[in-house]
Amino acid sequence: QVQLVESGGGVVQPGGSLRLSCAASGFTFSSYGMHWVRQAPGKGLEWVAFIRYDGSNKYYADSVKGRFTISRDNSKNTLYLQMNSLRAEDTAVYYCAKGHSSWYPDWFDPWGQGTLVTVSS
Amino acid sequence: DIQMTQSPSTLSASVGDRVTITCRASQSISSWLAWYQQKPGKAPKLLIYKASSLESGVPSRFSGSGSGTEFTLTISSLQPDDFATYYCQQYNSYSLTFGGGTKVEIK
Repeated sequence: QVQLVESGGGVVQPGGSLRLSCAASGFTFSSYGMHWVRQAPGKGLEWVAFIRYDGSNKYYADSVKGRFTISRDNSKNTLYLQMNSLRAEDTAVYYCAKGHSSWYPDWFDPWGQGTLVTVSS
Repeated sequence: DIQMTQSPSTLSASVGDRVTITCRASQSISSWLAWYQQKPGKAPKLLIYKASSLESGVPSRFSGSGSGTEFTLTISSLQPDDFATYYCQQYNSYSLTFGGGTKVEIK
């Protein structure tokens, strides 16, 4: 079955950087677009970024554009999120999620279990 | 960005009740809408895509309807496992957005 396992979360100071990873298994990773979605403590869901199946195009929420970079290594079945210039408002559980389409950001299914990122001094 | 507004934000209901949650888009999104269920401490789970298509394995008591700017998620007979928070999400544009969520509580 499809499995997505995030890692790399932790506590980082404001202005710092962190890289999240998402290991995928149970499906042909290189055929699907992939997303990152986050959820601040006690708050709703916020889409963060999408990358096409081959990495050719990437899309970002305005709140992270210029600071976060989504990437993928299809040879390792792994999705990444490089987060720079982190702010307190980036504190959240970060989920990776499989897209339905290979090239268009549509719906999320399934989701990983999430990894918590805390930005605090 | 397209704004998604869910109502109500909280809903109190009893087992067996018929429950309806509404999601409104700030502009037409055709049928490009999904619904998710999230329980505390867990990742969201897809229920409905393309406004009314039931995801495989999801009980048939869940249904979705609507198009354009107004959508509904209906639970025909609320079960104990259904007490959770529900989110709508649009994918009409390259910037995806969610509704604020509806928490379904036990009455």
